[in-house]
Amino acid sequence: SQQGEEDPQALSIQEGENATMNCSYKTSINNLQWYRQNSGRGLVHLILIRSNEREKHSGRLRVTLDTSKKSSSLLITASRAADTASYFCATIYGGATNKLIFGTGTLLAVQP
Amino acid sequence: DAGVTQSPTHLIKTRGQQVTLRCSPKSGHDTVSWYQQALGQGPQFIFQYYEEEERQRGNFPDRFSGHQFPNYSSELNVNALLLGDSALYLCASSLVIVSGLEKLFFGSGTQLSVL
Repeated sequence: SQQGEEDPQALSIQEGENATMNCSYKTSINNLQWYRQNSGRGLVHLILIRSNEREKHSGRLRVTLDTSKKSSSLLITASRAADTASYFCATIYGGATNKLIFGTGTLLAVQP
Repeated sequence: DAGVTQSPTHLIKTRGQQVTLRCSPKSGHDTVSWYQQALGQGPQFIFQYYEEEERQRGNFPDRFSGHQFPNYSSELNVNALLLGDSALYLCASSLVIVSGLEKLFFGSGTQLSVL
């Protein structure tokens, strides 16, 4: 499987704290994306980072990409109870495959 | 502007039956991808349709088939249902661009239970 793996599998923090999730993948990629899923329903795109980028910000989100280590991290700053969800990384592999492969996910619980 | 819509929301079937799930992509999108998500797992890629043809396929048996219509909407068909087919089925739409796939827009999914 070309699926990435997120670490940790589950994370519980208090409101206001920062949450960091990591993703590792197996082969070269075109880009890496992060998605959020609330209560087992549809996924929502959060941020995309291309293979030639090292860091990207969007609001309270910060994503880093280390292609030498085949890994990415998602940092959510000043977390809120509404951030409680599952977070998935997803990768597009080399070539024009247009096939997005998802990781195993991190379940984040933010306690009020 | 409607997003991705899927129907039905929930479905209960028995082993051996056949099921058809439907998806309407976001306006302006021409590509539809289907994913299966088992409880506690990440979405698994089933296949992708573009220009009414299956362009990519994941590691799923031939019992899983699909179709894309001229208006870009799509159907997922599963024959001879097994208990293990119970899952959330997600449809995602996107716009194919030369440099590769950009972000996907997901529907809310169809929860299929096979008894």
